[in-house]
Amino acid sequence: KQEVTQIPAALSVPEGENLVLNCSFTDSAIYNLQWFRQDPGKGLTSLLLIQSSQREQTSGRLNASLDKSSGRSTLYIAASQPGDSATYLCAVRDPPRNNRLAFGKGNQVVVIP
Amino acid sequence: AAGVIQSPRHLIKEKRETATLKCYPIPRHDTVYWYQQGPGQDPQFLISFYEKMQSDKGSIPDRFSAQQFSDYHSELNMSSLELGDSALYFCASSASVLGSAEQYFGPGTRLTVT
Repeated sequence: KQEVTQIPAALSVPEGENLVLNCSFTDSAIYNLQWFRQDPGKGLTSLLLIQSSQREQTSGRLNASLDKSSGRSTLYIAASQPGDSATYLCAVRDPPRNNRLAFGKGNQVVVIP
Repeated sequence: AAGVIQSPRHLIKEKRETATLKCYPIPRHDTVYWYQQGPGQDPQFLISFYEKMQSDKGSIPDRFSAQQFSDYHSELNMSSLELGDSALYFCASSASVLGSAEQYFGPGTRLTVT
């Protein structure tokens, strides 16, 4: 069974600092990996999708890397802003269960003004 | 751009009642997924449909059933509701059932069972 772990579970950073969020997964035979943002009690906003053949994806201040062989992904958020405060979820899709995403428990981020 | 639509957005039911959640996928998306997110938990996969056929089944209780209709919208039917069913229910859709396809999530339906 695919296990997805996100470290740290929670972190606070001063505004302007770069954020580094880590995600690891146990089964490296994945189709793709998605990073989501979730505000309290709200829906899931897809941030970045990395296919298994890719090593990174970028969108604005966000950059996500994927090291499939070691089962790791990192989400970088440059020059953090208070509006970046949210929970960030990592999810993977793998062949044995290819219709479902397996989620981590999230990184809860607070950016302090 | 059109997104996934879920209705209702909020639903309050009493124990042992039934509930029906609806999901309208992005136009031309043929695959629909349902997830359940309990308080403080990560989303858990329930069930998915491709071209009106069930394509995968996860940790969905026997009290729940779902289907996808000819217009590709989907409904999740929940009977004999329990307090533990209180959660945020997400529907997602994708343009293909292939593993590489991105899943796009709706805003969710918040179900409260009292």
